[in-house]
Amino acid sequence: DVKVTQSSRYLVKRTGEKVFLECVQDMDHENMFWYRQDPGLGLRLIYFSYDVKMKEKGDIPEGYSVSREKKERFSLILESASTNQTSMYLCASRPDRVNEQFFGPGTRLTVL
Amino acid sequence: RKEVEQDPGPFNVPEGATVAFNCTYSNSASQSFFWYRQDCRKEPKLLMSVYSSGNEDGRFTAQLNRASQYISLLIRDSKLSDSATYLCVVNSQAGTALIFGKGTTLSVSS
Repeated sequence: DVKVTQSSRYLVKRTGEKVFLECVQDMDHENMFWYRQDPGLGLRLIYFSYDVKMKEKGDIPEGYSVSREKKERFSLILESASTNQTSMYLCASRPDRVNEQFFGPGTRLTVL
Repeated sequence: RKEVEQDPGPFNVPEGATVAFNCTYSNSASQSFFWYRQDCRKEPKLLMSVYSSGNEDGRFTAQLNRASQYISLLIRDSKLSDSATYLCVVNSQAGTALIFGKGTTLSVSS
């Protein structure tokens, strides 16, 4: 069974803090993704990575950065958290040549 | 025009009803199509892929019309457990990132 795990289910941070969201997948998938999901806006792609040390901007990369030092791990970084980054963050992974994406359980981040 | 558009609903139906969801996509180069299901406070999970010839999985039938850039999902004999948000999904032009619709919410009541 594919497993995608995220470091926290719930996280509360203060404005201006640096925030790290970690995602790990155990199926040797090449591609990994970070989305945020907000009511009325659906899932929006922040960044994705198709290989170690490679990254591509998604639709809403502003205010975020990512790191992929190892194939199984994809980190999302909020350099200076702001209240408008309060959201549900979902990580996903996908192997090459297969279109199904497998999601982690999500991290609900609140920035105060 | 948004890349993937769905009627947000909610669709409120009684058990046993047949319900249909529709979705349109803007990128004619899209190659792969899916329906995902997302339960409340859970992550999205693949429900079924959508093939050009149409496909069925039990009570669920998916159809694709490439000429109209239109995808549908039909649920027959609705169950209480079908209550969820259904996300229409297509691949991006780059073929690496899936594009998600905002979802259609279904509520099945007894």
